[in-house]
Amino acid sequence: QQPVQSPQAVILREGEDAVINCSSSKALYSVHWYRQKHGEAPVFLMILLKGGEQKGHDKISASFNEKKQQSSLYLTASQLSYSGTYFCGTQNAGNMLTFGGGTRLMVKP
Amino acid sequence: NAGVTQTPKFQVLKTGQSMTLQCAQDMNHNSMYWYRQDPGMGLRLIYYSASEGTTDKGEVPNGYNVSRLNKREFSLRLESAAPSQTSVYFCASRARLAGYNEQFFGPGTRLTVL
Repeated sequence: QQPVQSPQAVILREGEDAVINCSSSKALYSVHWYRQKHGEAPVFLMILLKGGEQKGHDKISASFNEKKQQSSLYLTASQLSYSGTYFCGTQNAGNMLTFGGGTRLMVKP
Repeated sequence: NAGVTQTPKFQVLKTGQSMTLQCAQDMNHNSMYWYRQDPGMGLRLIYYSASEGTTDKGEVPNGYNVSRLNKREFSLRLESAAPSQTSVYFCASRARLAGYNEQFFGPGTRLTVL
């Protein structure tokens, strides 16, 4: 079953912060985060494997609450280059990676 | 390394026509996937291949067939195209099904069925 992402869309000014949430109705083995620019393929951001694990690089980080079956992506001090659609992909005991509907992020000057 | 390559980049079909989308990866990955992405929507898994010689259905397999030709190549066939299959098709590969390894996507094939 597809994970649910929120919000569906967000508009930011450069320098502002944003949080994107991803929830699943099933127990999760791992959570993947990807960013897709318009007309391009999704690009990998990070994977979280263990409950409570936080990963990050530059000003983008993520957390994974295994108990709540949720993950959150944190974008701090946003830059114009952060614009795009963010997808979470969840993997449970099965083999499939199932993606959420996406969160469209627009960063304005 | 080219990563994941897909052909063709664009295709227009008439209802009822058939075609095969080709995908190849040069990263020696075991697992390969086919997704479709409708406008403004997320990625939905059509079929996947955990390893050479195996294929399994994903969320939306109806109307499609796949072949894992060898470790490098994974093709998607539409036997009788329908307008509902108008979409962008992405192929992806991953070193293995689970664990700390990312999934790499190809550039996509934009398919229109009239």
